[in-house]
Amino acid sequence: GAVVSQHPSRVICKSGTSVKIECRSLDFQATTMFWYRQFPKQSLMLMATSNEGSKATYEQGVEKDKFLINHASLTLSTLTVTSAHPEDSSFYICSARGQGASDTQYFGPGTRLTVL
Amino acid sequence: AQSVTQLGSHVSVSEGALVLLRCNYSSSVPPYLFWYVQYPNQGLQLLLKYTSAATLVKGINGFEAEFKKSETSFHLTKPSAHMSDAAEYFCAVSETGNQFYFGTGTSLTVIP
Repeated sequence: GAVVSQHPSRVICKSGTSVKIECRSLDFQATTMFWYRQFPKQSLMLMATSNEGSKATYEQGVEKDKFLINHASLTLSTLTVTSAHPEDSSFYICSARGQGASDTQYFGPGTRLTVL
Repeated sequence: AQSVTQLGSHVSVSEGALVLLRCNYSSSVPPYLFWYVQYPNQGLQLLLKYTSAATLVKGINGFEAEFKKSETSFHLTKPSAHMSDAAEYFCAVSETGNQFYFGTGTSLTVIP
């Protein structure tokens, strides 16, 4: 099946710093990538949808200036958490979808962000 | 509007017993339906998906699910549970194949 990678898998940062998370589709071209946030023992919450070469679409309640998304190529999307605070600590998961309407989303392994 | 309801946040079964995880959805159009499994501190792995072909869908690791339009259900089953099946399971619905809406998840415990 399709493989999606995320880097880093874990990151610890100080409050006020910015953190960049990369999401790559390794063996297919992802026209659309998605970023989710998952709190402990809860479901995934969609944060934003990004299409290659265009601005991301953010879900209601998600601060676009705080969670910067760039989808510069068909295989790479990045999420930057700017001026991180402890409440931003969470598990961030990306997914990527190919071009077909019935294509499923393939998920990355997730990134555990801890803000001290 | 799309939504997914997973009945039972925790399910326990004995090893070798039938696994049944319930999922009901609401959708205004024929949806795409998915089951994913998540192991601790990992991402989601696709178990199976329904995309308007056969109503009985077979997935990996012996899991299968049946799409029942009249019941708006897509329950996940496995005839015989293994210890390695212990994980969190998520049902998801999508009308366009783009935005996915996930259920709240069901934690499966397998008792030896």
